[in-house]
Amino acid sequence: AQSVTQLGSHVSVSEGALVLLRCNYSSSVPPYLFWYVQYPNQGLQLLLKYTSAATLVKGINGFEAEFKKSETSFHLTKPSAHMSDAAEYFCAVSPQGGNTPLVFGKGTRLSVIA
Amino acid sequence: DSGVTQTPKHLITATGQRVTLRCSPRSGDLSVYWYQQSLDQGLQFLIQYYNGEERAKGNILERFSAQQFPDLHSELNLSSLELGDSALYFCASSVGRANNSPLHFGNGTRLTVT
Repeated sequence: AQSVTQLGSHVSVSEGALVLLRCNYSSSVPPYLFWYVQYPNQGLQLLLKYTSAATLVKGINGFEAEFKKSETSFHLTKPSAHMSDAAEYFCAVSPQGGNTPLVFGKGTRLSVIA
Repeated sequence: DSGVTQTPKHLITATGQRVTLRCSPRSGDLSVYWYQQSLDQGLQFLIQYYNGEERAKGNILERFSAQQFPDLHSELNLSSLELGDSALYFCASSVGRANNSPLHFGNGTRLTVT
C-alpha cells in the first residue's frame, strides 16, 4: 500500500528563513504526490501537486516541491518564511492509474518566529 | 472558500447516540470523500462516492455509513457512538473520480462524544 512519511511533527523557523518540510513516499512506481496546508479551524487547501510532468512543482504562496525518484522524496520548500505560513502541512500520495483516494501523512506543524 | 459546505460545525452528543453529518460538494464536483481527523490517527480516509455510487472504502467502521444523494450532497451517519469517535470529520469533493484530481475540503464537523 502507498504511504508517506513526514519527518518532523513540528518545525520552527525564523521569519525570513528557509522553510523545508520533508516528505518521503513508499512506492515501487512514481505516484501522484500532493502537499496540502491546514490553517487553524479550517479544512485542507491544496498547495501543489506532482503528476509526472515537471519534477519541480510550483505552488501557491511561494511554495515549491521537487520530486526526486532516486530518493523517493517530495520535500516542500519556501525561500523566506512569513508569519502567515504558520499552519499544519500534509503530504499525500495516491497511485497513478488507480482509484485509491489520497493517503495523507501525519502532518508537520510549522511555527514561524518573529 | 473551497465551495464545500459542511453542517453542523460542531456536534456534542452522548455515547450510544446516532448523528448525521451533511456535506454539499463544490458546484460541478461529482466525487465526495469523507475523512476523519484525530490527534492519534491523523487523517484517515473513510469512504468515497462518485455520482451517487460508492467508489472506494477505507477505514470505515461498520457503525458508520454514508450515502450520496441525486443532488450530489452526501451524509455520513455515525451510530452507537463511542468516546473514541470524537474527531474532526472532513468532507472533500473533486471534479472527477481519477486520483490525480485535487480535493477541495470543507471546514469540517467537530464531533465530541461525552
